[in-house]
Amino acid sequence: ETGVTQSPTHLIKTRGQQVTLRCSSQSGHNTVSWYQQALGQGPQFIFQYYREEENGRGNFPPRFSGLQFPNYSSELNVNALELDDSALYLCASSLKTELNTEQFFGPGTRLTVL
Amino acid sequence: RKEVEQDPGPFNVPEGATVAFNCTYSNSASQSFFWYRQDCRKEPKLLMSVYSSGNEDGRFTAQLNRASQYISLLIRDSKLSDSATYLCVVNPTGGFKTIFGAGTRLFVKA
Repeated sequence: ETGVTQSPTHLIKTRGQQVTLRCSSQSGHNTVSWYQQALGQGPQFIFQYYREEENGRGNFPPRFSGLQFPNYSSELNVNALELDDSALYLCASSLKTELNTEQFFGPGTRLTVL
Repeated sequence: RKEVEQDPGPFNVPEGATVAFNCTYSNSASQSFFWYRQDCRKEPKLLMSVYSSGNEDGRFTAQLNRASQYISLLIRDSKLSDSATYLCVVNPTGGFKTIFGAGTRLFVKA
């Protein structure tokens, strides 16, 4: 196992609602990245947090936001949920160095928006 | 053009076969390359990093061609347990944004 945990495992919401997903990174890792994976697609980069600050963002609207805490755990918040937000949300932790290194993924949160 | 493109698959091969996956990337400044494996309804897991000189890990061989912006993965002597989706992953220079291909599905049959 990677040591990266996510909660909840599954979640069902309705359009317009808000959701918070959580991720605990692997011990010793200072960077957390979030991805959205729709069925049959590869993971799409949402954003990355490094030492509690957003370090970069993919092509996702502002209603996707996040936080990283002093213990390097992280949250992904999505406001005003849309049907297309239904996906597997993955977080990945890594140790930031000059070169990008291996990311360790958590098991994901499967979000269904009705 | 997508930033990372992979063979669409699926690949259906018998046990013992050799199978090759290809991946192209559009950003010539990309610096780090990986192959990840993802089992059905599971998280991606690192299979191997890809180095300029090429690298081998048991039955798996990865190659990088920077001039052609092309990455490959070769699996020899396929096992049933190799059945999974293989994801090509690229990180741009100094970047934070990890880009995944859509994945190539492999089915190995007895």
